[in-house]
Amino acid sequence: AQSVTQLDSQVPVFEEAPVELRCNYSSSVSVYLFWYVQYPNQGLQLLLKYLSGSTLVKGINGFEAEFNKSQTSFHLRKPSVHISDTAEYFCAVSDEGGSEKLVFGKGTKLTVNP
Amino acid sequence: EPEVTQTPSHQVTQMGQEVILRCVPISNHLYFYWYRQILGQKVEFLVSFYNNEISEKSEIFDDQFSVERPDGSNFTLKIRSTKLEDSAMYFCASSGTSGYRGVEQYFGPGTRLTVT
Repeated sequence: AQSVTQLDSQVPVFEEAPVELRCNYSSSVSVYLFWYVQYPNQGLQLLLKYLSGSTLVKGINGFEAEFNKSQTSFHLRKPSVHISDTAEYFCAVSDEGGSEKLVFGKGTKLTVNP
Repeated sequence: EPEVTQTPSHQVTQMGQEVILRCVPISNHLYFYWYRQILGQKVEFLVSFYNNEISEKSEIFDDQFSVERPDGSNFTLKIRSTKLEDSAMYFCASSGTSGYRGVEQYFGPGTRLTVT
């Protein structure tokens, strides 16, 4: 069975500061990895995904994430955040070869302050 | 850009009542999913649906739950006799076109179900 851990439930930062949202997973099989963002009163929107190949993946809105197989991590980063990045961020995994379901972490609430 | 829609945005019901949550997936998608998020907890997978049958379901998806694609555009989740613990945000998602399930799931905005 797969699981996802997002250690930080809340991350407050100032505008234009860098941010890293941490995600660790456990799985006995190869996985696909995702970051979703949820803005207030909206659905889950895909930020980026790792399927294979380069371990550094770039997504929308200037976000990027690095897959580290040895540390079973997929941390999300942005070098300079904006007020509009305030949202909840969810890390998720799915089984590369079989199950269709996404397994989510509990989410990290990013608050960008002026 | 095509999107998944869900209705209603908020549903309040009394314990023991039946509810139907509705979703309109992206029009050319063939794989459909329901997830739920109890307040303060993780988003949890409930069920996946393809070719008019359930392809996978979680332990949460017991006999009180059912899914249906009643026509070419809607995908519904029915809870027969709601319990207080069914209160949650329910997300619909869709993916995949003919012959390919697709890796990326597209989510709707959710229906907040409150059972009193």
